[in-house]
Amino acid sequence: GDSVTQTEGQVALSEEDFLTIHCNYSASGYPTLFWYVQYPGEGPQLLFRASRDKEKGSSRGFEATYDKGTTSFHLRKASVQESDSAVYYCALSDRYGSSGNKLIFGIGTLLSVKP
Amino acid sequence: EAAVTQSPRSKVAVTGGKVTLSCHQTNNHDYMYWYRQDTGHGLRLIHYSYVADSTEKGDIPDGYKASRPSQENFSLILELASLSQTAVYFCASSVLGGTSQNTLYFGAGTRLSVL
Repeated sequence: GDSVTQTEGQVALSEEDFLTIHCNYSASGYPTLFWYVQYPGEGPQLLFRASRDKEKGSSRGFEATYDKGTTSFHLRKASVQESDSAVYYCALSDRYGSSGNKLIFGIGTLLSVKP
Repeated sequence: EAAVTQSPRSKVAVTGGKVTLSCHQTNNHDYMYWYRQDTGHGLRLIHYSYVADSTEKGDIPDGYKASRPSQENFSLILELASLSQTAVYFCASSVLGGTSQNTLYFGAGTRLSVL
């Protein structure tokens, strides 16, 4: 079945550091890819999405590029701030694949940023 | 703005007891979902519904029932709560079709502790 792999369970950085969170996917169809962010005490919220190969999604200084060749959608930010501390989830939806209209999430990456 | 409200926000239950988690959305969305969040597992889909009076099993439905009496309301029922069901539960909603399809709007979560 469809799946999402996030290799980093936790990431600890200092302010102004560069961030990369890796996300690879496996899907039988042509999925839409998402990044969600969850701040402490809140539910996850959409950061951005991408639906086509080479499409770049971006929001709040974060970005990721859909790469069908490497089946990846890595999250990057050039300079993190303490306020970026949160859990980040990569997810996919593959309407014509095994997951149908459902969203499949990765395990999440806890980002902690020190001032 | 989209709104998904969960109640209660936290609950302590006894093993073998019945627990009902409630969710109300004012988004006029067709789809509603119940996810469970656990460290190391991320967000996993328990049940979902795309129309009132109908529910579908997600990826981990065992030990849970769901009820969708109206478009706005979606409940998760644990008939015989067990220790392994201690987790944070999230309700979400989304539209059917269109460019916003599968953009989930989450509630703030319910923290359930089964003792």
